[in-house]
Amino acid sequence: DAGVTQSPTHLIKTRGQQVTLRCSPISGHKSVSWYQQVLGQGPQFIFQYYEKEERGRGNFPDRFSARQFPNYSSELNVNALLLGDSALYLCASNPGPGAVYGYTFGSGTRLTVV
Amino acid sequence: GENVEQHPSTLSVQEGDSAVIKCTYSDSASNYFPWYKQELGKRPQLIIDIRSNVGEKKDQRIAVTLNKTAKHFSLHITETQPEDSAVYFCAASDPGTYKYIFGTGTRLKVLA
Repeated sequence: DAGVTQSPTHLIKTRGQQVTLRCSPISGHKSVSWYQQVLGQGPQFIFQYYEKEERGRGNFPDRFSARQFPNYSSELNVNALLLGDSALYLCASNPGPGAVYGYTFGSGTRLTVV
Repeated sequence: GENVEQHPSTLSVQEGDSAVIKCTYSDSASNYFPWYKQELGKRPQLIIDIRSNVGEKKDQRIAVTLNKTAKHFSLHITETQPEDSAVYFCAASDPGTYKYIFGTGTRLKVLA
C-alpha cells in the first residue's frame, strides 16, 4: 500500500517565480494538510482540505493557495516566490477532518528560492 | 491560539540510558498530542500519540505521559540505541481548528 507521495522531491526557483507542489494521499484518506518546515524548526500549518473543501488555513499570505481534486490529491501553489519561502513542504494525509488522527507525512518537497 | 514549547533543544545520552523530552501547551481544550521522529533529510514519522482522556501510553521502549492539570506532556525513551538519534517533535491539536501546533524540536544524540 503506497504511502503519501509528493512531487517533485527537490525544486530550485528564482525569486518572483511561481511553483506548484503535488501530493497524493494514502488510498482511502480524504483529508490532506500542507505544512511548511523551515530548517531547524517545527512544521507550520498552511492548509487543510477535506472532501475538496478548505477546512483550515494557517497564517500565510495570499500568495499561498491550494486545492484538492476529486481523487483527493492536492496541489499547493506559491506565487511571487521570496527567499524566505525556501523550506521543506510537507503533505500529510489522514482519514478524515480534524486533528484527532495522527497524520502520515509524505517525504516532502524541498524548495530552494534563489 | 495554541502554543507549544519544547525542551531541551538538544539532548545527548549514552547508549542504554533513558531520554526525556518535555513539552508544554497553552490551551486546556487541546485533546490530542502526537510525537514525531524526523531523521536527517527524511519525513516526520509518528512514533506515539496520546489523547486527553489518557494519562500514559507505552509502546515498547517509548512512553508518553500527559498531565492535563499542568498542561504538559513528555516523551520517555528507555534503553536508548544509536538509531534513536534524530530530531523529535511534539505537537498539540489546536482546538476548534484542523491543525497541529508543533514544538521547536529536540535533537537527540545517542552516544555509542
